[in-house]
Amino acid sequence: AQKVTQAQTEISVVEKEDVTLDCVYETRDTTYYLFWYKQPPSGELVFLIRRNSFDEQNEISGRYSWNFQKSTSSFNFTITASQVVDSAVYFCALFDILTGGGNKLTFGTGTQLKVEL
Amino acid sequence: DAGVTQSPTHLIKTRGQQVTLRCSPKSGHDTVSWYQQALGQGPQFIFQYYEEEERQRGNFPDRFSGHQFPNYSSELNVNALLLGDSALYLCASSRQGAWNSPLHFGNGTRLTVT
Repeated sequence: AQKVTQAQTEISVVEKEDVTLDCVYETRDTTYYLFWYKQPPSGELVFLIRRNSFDEQNEISGRYSWNFQKSTSSFNFTITASQVVDSAVYFCALFDILTGGGNKLTFGTGTQLKVEL
Repeated sequence: DAGVTQSPTHLIKTRGQQVTLRCSPKSGHDTVSWYQQALGQGPQFIFQYYEEEERQRGNFPDRFSGHQFPNYSSELNVNALLLGDSALYLCASSRQGAWNSPLHFGNGTRLTVT
């Protein structure tokens, strides 16, 4: 069965520090997608990044970057030069073909990020 | 371009009652799914609707049912409410076939069962 683990429950940093959020996943499928979503206090889940299982190239998008390693089943997410507005709960999510359906995401339990001045 | 809209924002019900939550998908989307998010947890998939039919279902009892209308909007119904049904209910929409595209979520309905 598919599973997503976010071991970090809460992280506190000072503004302008870099912060990395960890995500470990389990799936028996060879074709899958990994996502990071941000949930501010308003409740809406905001899409941040997506990666498919065939592309392990790590990229940077603005202040966001990610490290996808199939060998360790990890999909870590880094925010560079954090800002107070980055404070939110961050969820890692998995979609795989075996479970079928494009809308069935398996989410981790989330990491609460607090960025302080 | 309106995103996913949900109503109501908050709702308080008593055990044993029934509740209906509503969702309008993002413009251009035809598929709606519902998620339940308990406090401190990640969202859990309830079910997905496309072409007015339930296409896929997560591990939720039959007390949870839904409906999709011809305009693609959707309702989530929960019967015989339990205290454990208290949660944030999120609606997400997408286009059928674009299965690897990110879902668009609404702000959710906060349901409290007393």
